[in-house]
Amino acid sequence: KNEVEQSPQNLTAQEGEFITINCSYSVGISALHWLQQHPGGGIVSLFMLSSGKKKHGRLIATINIQEKHSSLHITASHPRDSAVYICAVMGGNKLVFGAGTILRVKS
Amino acid sequence: NAGVMQNPRHLVRRRGQEARLRCSPMKGHSHVYWYRQLPEEGLKFMVYLQKENIIDESGMPKERFSAEFPKEGPSILRIQQVVRGDSAAYFCASSPRDRGTSRAYEQYFGPGTRLTVT
Repeated sequence: KNEVEQSPQNLTAQEGEFITINCSYSVGISALHWLQQHPGGGIVSLFMLSSGKKKHGRLIATINIQEKHSSLHITASHPRDSAVYICAVMGGNKLVFGAGTILRVKS
Repeated sequence: NAGVMQNPRHLVRRRGQEARLRCSPMKGHSHVYWYRQLPEEGLKFMVYLQKENIIDESGMPKERFSAEFPKEGPSILRIQQVVRGDSAAYFCASSPRDRGTSRAYEQYFGPGTRLTVT
């Protein structure tokens, strides 16, 4: 079993839909990151959180430390949100990454 | 304030040659991390460095790979005698000093170096 599991692996949505991507982890962590990667592109850090909830524009990230679970929500999705979304947990000195969720938003 | 810089962005090497990948952290950041993304695979930790020190190299292959972060200049990831299996995207990230606490600091990623071994 991987230390970080994401679901779903692939997600296709219609423009305007509300999207949720889930992340579960099995190790103790000091923080959790949500990252965005476009095809052939670099990696952008969307959020780092260790408790509660953070919001930035149409993106919302939540974490439940007791349940070892985090969710990334996208409200009013847009085709430009199409990308790979990666959950990564900080344990010790390094990030451990999930496999990523491939999101495609159709217009 | 420039972000994390990596160069080159694309690097082509023949089997047996050496590859040198450079990473300049964000201004004020003294912690550097290297990650590798193999084709169709997820990101994997390679090494964590502070200035002049390797803190954690548990993700580095035992042979041919080395990393340094000198007092002056960028961090360097060096791959000797490259093989086709080394073809991947190599990402560097940096974060600020941790002041000796257990607090986690956000990591900022560079654009990556895409290494192709022919």
